[in-house]
Amino acid sequence: DTGVSQDPRHKITKRGQNVTFRCDPISEHNRLYWYRQTLGQGPEFLTYFQNEAQLEKSRLLSDRFSAERPKGSFSTLEIQRTEQGDSAMYLCASSTGTPEKNTIYFGEGSWLTVV
Amino acid sequence: AQSVTQLGSHVSVSEGALVLLRCNYSSSVPPYLFWYVQYPNQGLQLLLKYTSAATLVKGINGFEAEFKKSETSFHLTKPSAHMSDAAEYFCAVSASGGYQKVTFGIGTKLQVIP
Repeated sequence: DTGVSQDPRHKITKRGQNVTFRCDPISEHNRLYWYRQTLGQGPEFLTYFQNEAQLEKSRLLSDRFSAERPKGSFSTLEIQRTEQGDSAMYLCASSTGTPEKNTIYFGEGSWLTVV
Repeated sequence: AQSVTQLGSHVSVSEGALVLLRCNYSSSVPPYLFWYVQYPNQGLQLLLKYTSAATLVKGINGFEAEFKKSETSFHLTKPSAHMSDAAEYFCAVSASGGYQKVTFGIGTKLQVIP
């Protein structure tokens, strides 16, 4: 169990550029989540995958945001035409499908700064 | 829908004193409840979770929490604070059925005074 891995850990980008974050969940975890956390706030749910299917998207996930999990393993979160308000930490998490074992394990997060 | 309210965005305790971080939940179905800890510039680490078994849950680093349905509370305690406990603590809730999306509170920053 190597934990949830996120890359890159830090990204500074100019407004209007596109950025992509990658998440590798714990192996055999079929559920994968993306959260966003801004300073002084708790993590806010963005989207959720069960295997390769994206089952829920928060209204926080505007049209500029897209997430994929093409083979049910790693996932990517792309932000197009970044805005300063997108500056935040993007957290990926994964879990198994059984209720009793449904502990969500988080990665270290990817910090995005839009300048 | 589920939500949690954390009472007190900042809590200060002296080293060796009792730590009490408050959390109240709202849930239309039986909840699962969690406490996570976050150190600066890091992700979240699970401290403990309640999943309808024992109401008193023991976690890592000497923390425990008690589920009180009558009070809709899930307060986090530790008998004796250590300097290394200084961090931000998040209470979270999910439904006990379905895919269990977790909803977080805004967090409580714990300061430990030497």
